[in-house]
Order: sequence, then structure tokens, then C-alpha cells
Amino acid sequence: AQRVTQPEKLLSVFKGAPVELKCNYSYSGSPELFWYVQYSRQRLQLLLRHISRESIKGFTADLNKGETSFHLKKPFAQEEDSAMYYCALSAPNAGNNRKLIWGLGTSLAVNP
Amino acid sequence: NAGVTQTPKFRVLKTGQSMTLLCAQDMNHEYMYWYRQDPGMGLRLIHYSVGEGTTAKGEVPDGYNVSRLKKQNFLLGLESAAPSQTSVYFCASRDRVVYEQYFGPGTRLTVT
Repeated sequence: AQRVTQPEKLLSVFKGAPVELKCNYSYSGSPELFWYVQYSRQRLQLLLRHISRESIKGFTADLNKGETSFHLKKPFAQEEDSAMYYCALSAPNAGNNRKLIWGLGTSLAVNP
Repeated sequence: NAGVTQTPKFRVLKTGQSMTLLCAQDMNHEYMYWYRQDPGMGLRLIHYSVGEGTTAKGEVPDGYNVSRLKKQNFLLGLESAAPSQTSVYFCASRDRVVYEQYFGPGTRLTVT
């Protein structure tokens, strides 16, 4: 079954500390993974996609096929990073379409 | 570009009332989606559309109907609202090639 698991509902760190938001997936094909972020009372927006291998706002995420993980990391958390983070997997859907399978999200709180 | 817009932003309904949520996008995207976001349940896909005149059921379609008469608009209807439909509703769109979903600001619906 296709599934995305974010084991932590809430993660609380202090400003300047490293942060890692965990994402594990279950998918038999070649995965396409994303991290979306939702700041307080704002719309969801794409943060990272594994294909582009970029760093956005200091965040990086590496796809580990052996561990079926796509953890989001930042070496030094900032207060403005406080938000809800969703991991998502693109998977085939009916009629040659694709759909996003979402994790339940992790709420990151960065304390001063 | 306005991107993805949703109207209304907030609404309170009584049980049994009906309403329509409007989603509009000005990016000429083929695909459009309606999600609901509930605490502890992440994002769940209600219905989606792969092009003008087409609609398909998502994960939680019961109690909702949709229409995509124009490419830029995707309407979500509740014919007889129930308290279980109290939620935040997000619309999203994407183009055919690049798998990034662009989200609207959300509609907060309360059914009493």
C-alpha cells in the first residue's frame, strides 16, 4: 500500500538548534517526494521536492531509498520556521494521472 | 497573477443548509483539487478534476459534489450540510507537467 508516515505530530526545538522532521514512505515504484509547509493561517506552499535537490530557507531533504525516508533537516532552526510541515508522495492514479498521498503533518515550534 | 483564490473565506451554516465554495485559478492549470483539513487527519482529497468538464472522486467524496464547467473554476457543493463537514477546505491546482500543487488560502466552514 502507498503510504506516507510522519511519526511526530509535534516537534519543539530551541532557536539555533538543529531540526529534523521525519518522513517515511511505502511505495513499490520510484518515488517522487515533496515537503509542503503551512505557516500560521496561510496557504500551503511547496518547500522542497526531492528531484530538484535544492536547499530552501536552509532546509534540505535527502531521499534514502534503502530506509524509504525523506527527512527534512535544518542545521539551525529559526523562530520563523514554526509551521506545519507535510510530506507528500506522488503516486499513480486512475487513467494515467497521478495523485499526492499526504502524511498527517508535523507541527514545528521553534522556541526563543 | 492572483494564483488560486477561494470564496468565501469563512462561513457558518446550519445543519441541512446548502452552499457552494468557489475556487478560481488564473494560471491556466489543467488539474484542480478540493481538500479538507482536519486536526490530526492531515489533508484529505474530496474530489478532483483533470480538465474542463471532468471530475472524479477522491478519498472522502460523500456529501459533496463538484463541477468544472470552466477551466479556471472548480466548484464544491454541499447539498445538505452536516456538523461532520465542519472543516477548513483548500483548493489546489497544478499544470499537466510540473507536479507542484498551488493552494488557495482556504475556506473555514462551521456547520452547527
